[in-house]
Amino acid sequence: DVKVTQSSRYLVKRTGEKVFLECVQDMDHENMFWYRQDPGLGLRLIYFSYDVKMKEKGDIPEGYSVSREKKERFSLILESASTNQTSMYLCASSSTSLSTYNEQFFGPGTRLTVL
Amino acid sequence: AQSVTQPDIHITVSEGASLELRCNYSYGATPYLFWYVQSPGQGLQLLLKYFSGDTLVQGIKGFEAEFKRSQSSFNLRKPSVHWSDAAEYFCALNDYKLSFGAGTTVTVRA
Repeated sequence: DVKVTQSSRYLVKRTGEKVFLECVQDMDHENMFWYRQDPGLGLRLIYFSYDVKMKEKGDIPEGYSVSREKKERFSLILESASTNQTSMYLCASSSTSLSTYNEQFFGPGTRLTVL
Repeated sequence: AQSVTQPDIHITVSEGASLELRCNYSYGATPYLFWYVQSPGQGLQLLLKYFSGDTLVQGIKGFEAEFKRSQSSFNLRKPSVHWSDAAEYFCALNDYKLSFGAGTTVTVRA
């Protein structure tokens, strides 16, 4: 079974803190993605990566950065957390490089609250 | 630009009744379309996908979807709903990235 794991299910941070969300996949997938999910807005892509040390901005990259030092791990970083970043964050992975049809496999999500 | 619209925010259906969830898309070429389901507190699970060929696609858990190019639609159906089908459902379109609809929440009443 494909497994995508996220470091925390729930996280509470204070405004201004630096926040790291970690995602690990065990299927040797080339592509990894970070989304945020908000009620009524569906999932919106923050960043994605199609190879180690490679990253591309998604639809809403402002306030976020990412790191991919190893193929299996993709980190989302909030340099200075703000209350409007309170959300559910979902990580996903897929195989092959930027193929237009490959299924994405999702982790369970991290619900982040910024106070 | 590609986009996906799910017109129904919330649907309530009786257990055993049929279910249809609507999805409309905007895309300039042949779309690659997906339906995902998210149970409470869980990540997203793929129900089915359409790439090409037969426009009626069968998925897991008894779901099917029909691609209609003329209507730019990819509606999801299930003939008889079970209480465990209560969840949020997302339609998505894949170009080089997935674009999701806003989701439809399904409530199943006994």
